[in-house]
Amino acid sequence: NAGVTQTPKFQVLKTGQSMTLQCAQDMNHEYMSWYRQDPGMGLRLIHYSVGAGITDQGEVPNGYNVSRSTTEDFPLRLLSAAPSQTSVYFCASRPLVADEAFFGQGTRLTVV
Amino acid sequence: GDSVTQMEGPVTLSEEAFLTINCTYTATGYPSLFWYVQYPGEGLQLLLKATKADDKGSNKGFEATYRKETTSFHLEKGSVQVSDSAVYFCALSDISNYQLIWGAGTKLIIKP
Repeated sequence: NAGVTQTPKFQVLKTGQSMTLQCAQDMNHEYMSWYRQDPGMGLRLIHYSVGAGITDQGEVPNGYNVSRSTTEDFPLRLLSAAPSQTSVYFCASRPLVADEAFFGQGTRLTVV
Repeated sequence: GDSVTQMEGPVTLSEEAFLTINCTYTATGYPSLFWYVQYPGEGLQLLLKATKADDKGSNKGFEATYRKETTSFHLEKGSVQVSDSAVYFCALSDISNYQLIWGAGTKLIIKP
């Protein structure tokens, strides 16, 4: 049972480059979300989705886009990378009416 | 809005010491409360949860009791091990919008 799979695990970008962080889950969860984790700031919600075709902004959405064309996949796109986007990114999923969230292993992104 | 406050770390203890990590919350309604743990280089995973007042969640020797009168959900363990070294996150579920509200995390370091 794969759970939540994120790729890549590590990435270095130059300022201005774009890229997509991939997230896939095989648990048929309706709710998926992206967080960034920065030292001393806990987890901050970037974007989330309550089902295929539905996305919404979280606390820190600027500079990021998402789409949800299938239940399984929820990619996060960085449009034009900036050093302020250097962070560890986590994807999570859970059933809409349940509480426990399942997290991927994270993507450590460095923007130089 | 809802919020979670947990004690700042790092918390450094010797093996077999008693552990308390404080967590307090503000919320409208009756949220569920959670403790998640993040081991080095990994994503978060659910440690324990409580869904209503006076419930006690427990797992792997850790316990936390949902105290509505003090709006607290403190994490305790009677005898910590080196393998408990991790970052611990307190969280609550906002049932109005399906979101999880996170504390900033507390890093726990256990020395042999």
